[in-house]
Parts: sequence; C-alpha cells; structure tokens
Amino acid sequence: QKEVEQDPGPLSVPEGAIVSLNCTYSNSAFQYFMWYRQYSRKGPELLMYTYSSGNKEDGRFTAQVDKSSKYISLFIRDSQPSDSATYLCAIPYGGSQGNLIFGKGTKLSVKP
Amino acid sequence: KAGVTQTPRYLIKTRGQQVTLSCSPISGHRSVSWYQQTPGQGLQFLFEYFSETQRNKGNFPGRFSGRQFSNSRSEMNVSTLELGDSALYLCASSFGGSVDTQYFGPGTRLTVL
Repeated sequence: QKEVEQDPGPLSVPEGAIVSLNCTYSNSAFQYFMWYRQYSRKGPELLMYTYSSGNKEDGRFTAQVDKSSKYISLFIRDSQPSDSATYLCAIPYGGSQGNLIFGKGTKLSVKP
Repeated sequence: KAGVTQTPRYLIKTRGQQVTLSCSPISGHRSVSWYQQTPGQGLQFLFEYFSETQRNKGNFPGRFSGRQFSNSRSEMNVSTLELGDSALYLCASSFGGSVDTQYFGPGTRLTVL
C-alpha cells in the first residue's frame, strides 16, 4: 500500500460547481497535510496546509482532515475555469517539509 | 523576489550518457529538494540538501546524486541514463525549518532516447 493514495481522475465539472478532491494516507503519525496546485508546464505551488484534524478555509478553498479515517479533502466552491489544474495532496515525511510524499494528483477541468 | 530557477528547461540525451541539472533557490533559502515527476509514478522525492549537506534521501539508485554549494545553489547528476529516467525534474527551496513552505521551480524536462 502506498503511503498516500489519490484518485487521478480526470475530473470535469461545469463552472460554479463544488469540487471535492480526496486523498487517503496510511501512517497515523502524519501531522501536516498539504494541497498543491500544478498548472500545465509549471511547478507545483502550495495552496493550503493543515495541521492535525479539522477544517481550514481560505476564500473558495476548504481543506479538511479526518485523522480517524486517515482521509484528507480539498473543497473548491464556485469553481472557475482558472481552477483547471492538477491538484496534489502532500505529506511531509519524518516531519521534514523538505521531503514530501505526494499523491499522484487529480487533474481538474472546469468548463465555462 | 525572484522565484526558483532551473536550467536547462529542456534536455534530450541518449541512453548511457550522464546529465547535470541546476537549481537556483530563492534568495535566503538554505534548503533545496529535488523531485522526479512521471505520469506513472507521480512526484517522487529524490533528496534534500541543507547548508551543503544531504539531509534526506529518497529511494532512488546511486546513479542519482546531488550537491549543494555555499551559495545554496544545487545540482543533481544522473549517470548512465536509462529510458525510464525521462521525466520532469523539479527542485524546491525553503528556509529549511520543519514548517517552512517549499517553493517549486518550473522543472527541467529530460528526455532520454
């Protein structure tokens, strides 16, 4: 079993839809959870991070962690065509941000 | 401030050759990490350097090596290239603390023929 699993999609939604992106992880010791966004031909950029369980909101984006089920989610409200990108969940391995374990990424397309 | 830069952006090599990729971190950042991204395996961690020392290492063969210079610039080297080494190689820099954000460069696209 891989340490971080993510459904690769692709996922296609109409503009304005609510998007739900999900990952599962295997190691209960993980504490930090991140979401990166990667546009085509670019490097990933950090979108949000959360520590331990709970929700964190930033504008149209909400990150959610459920440590009891080892499940992390990213919700995008009122999705826009500019949100079309690949979304990757990531977890620091051994507590080091310099060593991230990534999910395989979900490719999202928001149609106008 | 300037972001992470990587050179070259594109590279074509043949099997058996070796290649050196370069990464210039954001000014002030002391940690540089390297990742390999392929459609099949996704993003995989290669190694991290902090203050010229390798701090973490991923599960890649010894053909993959790296180093960091006193100005925090980093290079990675792949010797005896194989077809499977074709990938996007990304570097990321940060201040190096346990909660510091990593900033990624645009990557070097390596094609091995």
